[in-house]
Amino acid sequence: QVMLVQSGAEVRKPGASVKISCKASGYTLTTYFLHWVRQAPGQGLEWMGIMNPGVGTTTYAEKFQGRVTMTTDTSTSTVYMDLISLKSEDTAVYFCASGDNFDIWGQGTMVTVSS
Amino acid sequence: DIHLTQSPSFLSASVGDRVTITCRASQGINNYLVWFQQKPGKAPKFLIYVASTLQSGVPSRFSGSGSGTEFTLTISSLQPEDLATYYCLQVNSFPYTFGQGTKVEI
Repeated sequence: QVMLVQSGAEVRKPGASVKISCKASGYTLTTYFLHWVRQAPGQGLEWMGIMNPGVGTTTYAEKFQGRVTMTTDTSTSTVYMDLISLKSEDTAVYFCASGDNFDIWGQGTMVTVSS
Repeated sequence: DIHLTQSPSFLSASVGDRVTITCRASQGINNYLVWFQQKPGKAPKFLIYVASTLQSGVPSRFSGSGSGTEFTLTISSLQPEDLATYYCLQVNSFPYTFGQGTKVEI
């Protein structure tokens, strides 16, 4: 079954960092670009960036430039999203998504930033 | 950045109704528009791509149309399972941007 499996919920204090994993199953990770999308509680969807897992190239939304890093480990079919200098406004569910047209999604990872 | 404005933000309709959601882009996006359905507590589900092509397995009551800067998602006969929030996403240029969402209540 084609799917993306994400790591579990995280709680961090303001100023800390978080690293979320997203593992591809049932297909070859390098077949498609991979996106990260987040959703704050009760809010809409926000696109964070994209990476080509095959070559490691990335494009980030300007809002996250300097704070986000997307990396890949093709040996384990896993992509990582690292977000630093966390603020309370970063509290959200983070999704990875891939496929021809965003047709493969992870289950989401809740990140809570609170002192 | 390309801004997408969805309307309405909230919609209440009855089973069997025809429902139309509009997504307006701040500039042309060459029909590179995707529609998603998101149910509470779930990841979004991809419905339509390049504005009007239905994803395999999506019920035929869903359709997309439009060009240039104005696009619509239509549900021809609303069903109880269509209770969800619907989002448009432009994939014409970076940064990709979502509309703010339309919540559909049955």
